[in-house]
Amino acid sequence: GAVVSQHPSWVICKSGTSVKIECRSLDFQATTMFWYRQFPKQSLMLMATSNEGSKATYEQGVEKDKFLINHASLTLSTLTVTSAHPEDSSFYICSARGGLKGTEAFFGQGTRLTVV
Amino acid sequence: AQSVTQPDIHITVSEGASLELRCNYSYGATPYLFWYVQSPGQGLQLLLKYFSGDTLVQGIKGFEAEFKRSQSSFNLRKPSVHWSDAAEYFCAVGPLTGGGNKLTFGTGTQLKVEL
Repeated sequence: GAVVSQHPSWVICKSGTSVKIECRSLDFQATTMFWYRQFPKQSLMLMATSNEGSKATYEQGVEKDKFLINHASLTLSTLTVTSAHPEDSSFYICSARGGLKGTEAFFGQGTRLTVV
Repeated sequence: AQSVTQPDIHITVSEGASLELRCNYSYGATPYLFWYVQSPGQGLQLLLKYFSGDTLVQGIKGFEAEFKRSQSSFNLRKPSVHWSDAAEYFCAVGPLTGGGNKLTFGTGTQLKVEL
């Protein structure tokens, strides 16, 4: 299968600071990337969908000014959590699809964010 | 609105025993159905998917799932569980056309394997 890499795998930041999470498709061109959030012992909740070169489409209830998504190239999307607070602590997972990989989405390994 | 229900939050089976994880979905059109597995602190790995054709789908790691339209179910099965199968399993549904892979996930089933 395709490889999608997230970086960092885990990050601890102070309340009020911003954190950037990267999602890269290593062996295909990802025309669409999805960002999910997963709370402990819970399912994945879609936060936003981003198409390369376009503004991200956010799901209802997700603050677009707080969770900034950039998808400037076919291999990289970033999620920036701005002015992070402890309640933003969560597991963030991206998935990517596109190019020769067709409609299947491939998931990154996730990023554990802890805001202290 | 589409939804996925995984009625079992936790399941414990003995190694070598058979396994069935339940998944029921609600969807307005012909669905695209998936099963994913997640190990602790990791992303998701696709086990199998269904969108048309034979309703019994074979996946990786010896897993299979059967699509039953009349029951709106897509249960995951494995004849003989291995200790390494212990993980969280998610069922998901998405549109066949449009919406890309905008998936709706179930709440997951935590599988524990007793040796």
